[in-house]
Amino acid sequence: DVKVTQSSRYLVKRTGEKVFLECVQDMDHENMFWYRQDPGLGLRLIYFSYDVKMKEKGDIPEGYSVSREKKERFSLILESASTNQTSMYLCASSLGASGFYEQYFGPGTRLTVT
Amino acid sequence: KNQVEQSPQSLIILEGKNCTLQCNYTVSPFSNLRWYKQDTGRGPVSLTIMTFSENTKSNGRYTATLDADTKQSSLHITASQLSDSASYICVVSPGNNRLAFGKGNQVVVIP
Repeated sequence: DVKVTQSSRYLVKRTGEKVFLECVQDMDHENMFWYRQDPGLGLRLIYFSYDVKMKEKGDIPEGYSVSREKKERFSLILESASTNQTSMYLCASSLGASGFYEQYFGPGTRLTVT
Repeated sequence: KNQVEQSPQSLIILEGKNCTLQCNYTVSPFSNLRWYKQDTGRGPVSLTIMTFSENTKSNGRYTATLDADTKQSSLHITASQLSDSASYICVVSPGNNRLAFGKGNQVVVIP
């Protein structure tokens, strides 16, 4: 079974802090994704990566950056956390382009910024 | 703009009853359509995936249908169980990494 793990289930940070969310997949998948999920808005793509050190902006990249130094690990960075970044963050991975391969999701990290 | 609309937004059903969830999309081009189940506080889990040429796909008590001409899909839950309480998300792929997500149908099954 594919396993996607996220470093924290719950996280509370203060405004202005630098926040790291880590995601690890164990199936040698090429593609990895970061989404945020808010009530009434559904899942929105922040960034994705199709190879080590390669990344592409999603629909809402402002205020976020990402890092993929190793194939199995994809990090989401909030340079200076703000209260409007309070959300559920979901990581996903797929073997190839998600148009043709299933995305497998992690359990999510609920981030609260106070 | 690629859009996915789901209805009803939420519904409550009695255990053992059937229900049908709807998904309309305007995604183009179209590669495939998936239904995911998301339990509260968890990540989504895939239930079914259908390509253009498929018009029905089953996974246990879940049956998805697809009408690519009218750009509509439905998910039918048969003999609902308490464990079916979840959000069901319709996801349409245009054939790249930018999937189009619906906002979900929130289903609550009561005894």
